[in-house]
Formats: sequence, structure tokens, C-alpha cells
Amino acid sequence: NAGVTQTPKFQVLKTGQSMTLQCAQDMNHEYMSWYRQDPGMGLRLIHYSVGAGITDQGEVPNGYNVSRSTTEDFPLRLLSAAPSQTSVYFCASTPPGSNQPQHFGDGTRLSIL
Amino acid sequence: EDQVTQSPEALRLQEGESSSLNCSYTVSGLRGLFWYRQDPGKGPEFLFTLYSAGEEKEKERLKATLTKKESFLHITAPKPEDSATYLCAVQGSGNTGKLIFGQGTTLQVKP
Repeated sequence: NAGVTQTPKFQVLKTGQSMTLQCAQDMNHEYMSWYRQDPGMGLRLIHYSVGAGITDQGEVPNGYNVSRSTTEDFPLRLLSAAPSQTSVYFCASTPPGSNQPQHFGDGTRLSIL
Repeated sequence: EDQVTQSPEALRLQEGESSSLNCSYTVSGLRGLFWYRQDPGKGPEFLFTLYSAGEEKEKERLKATLTKKESFLHITAPKPEDSATYLCAVQGSGNTGKLIFGQGTTLQVKP
């Protein structure tokens, strides 16, 4: 099992550009989520999904879109990148059952110029 | 509002010098408190889940404890390889699957 795989690992964008951060898991987990990590702020939830076809907003959803067409994939889209979206983005998946720990990918480091 | 605060922000220890990291929380109906370790350039790696006050869990030099208001991560005789950022997160009864994270404590252990 590869676990949670995120691509790309690094990306530099210009303000106004769009891009998609990819996240894939091979553990057949229903629950997946996206976080951003900023210095001094901890991890903040952007969007999450409890299964294919179902998504919902987290704490900081503005400027981001998600979709969940398959159990394996949960891409995060930046529609028009802004410097405030410079951050490290983590995707996580959770096994079934209550109170299970989330499994994280190694992140995408995104810089918006 | 669910909230998690970790202290200190940074901690420097000499190898073998034991200490504790604190995680204070307020949550509506705690379903679980999670500790993660994060190395530079990597994603958080799961360490422990605690479910109820009085519970303790151990792994090598790490021991996590839980009260109704806070959790401690005790590090006994740390080694340089224990250097990392330690994250605490809570899951409340009203937030199915959602985790609220603290800011983390960055631990540096010097040989």
C-alpha cells in the first residue's frame, strides 16, 4: 500500500492562475479531507468528504473547490490563486469506524507570487 | 467553540533530559484526542489516541495522558531522533470525523 499520495510536492504559481492539487489513497477509506498548514496556525480544515459524491466545507473553504467522483481520489482546486493561499497543503484519509486516526500524505508546498 | 492550545511552542532539551508537552482543549463531548509527530517536509504521523480522562498510552520513550481539560505528552530520556513537531488534535461529538488541531510544539533534542 502506498497510503496517501499527493502531487505535486512543490508548485509555484502566479496570482490569478488556477491549478489542481492531487490526492489519492489506496486504502479504500471513505473519509478524506484537505488541510492547510501555516506557521503558528496549526492545521486548518479546508474541505472534507465522507464518501464518493459527497463533500462539505471545513473551517477555511473560500477560494477552494473539491469533488469526489471516486473513493480513491480527492482533488483540491484553486480557481484563481492569491498570495494568501501560499501554504503547505495536506490531504488525509480515515479508516471506517468512529474515532479512527487520520492518515496524512506528505504535502504539497505551494507558493503564489 | 472547540479549541486546542499547545505549550510550549518550542522546547530544547539535552539528550536524556525528560520533559512534558501540554495540550489544553475545550470541546463539546470529546470523542478522541490524537497525538501526531511531524518531521520537517513530511505529513503528520499518528502516535496515540486517548478517549477518556485517566487513560494513558505508551510507545517507546513517549507516554500520553489525558484529563478532562488537557493532555500531556511525556518524553522520557529523549534522544536526538525524537526531535520533531508534536501535534495535538481533538474530535468532538458535533464534528463527525473533523479534527481541531493545536499549533504544535517543536522539540529539539541536542546530543
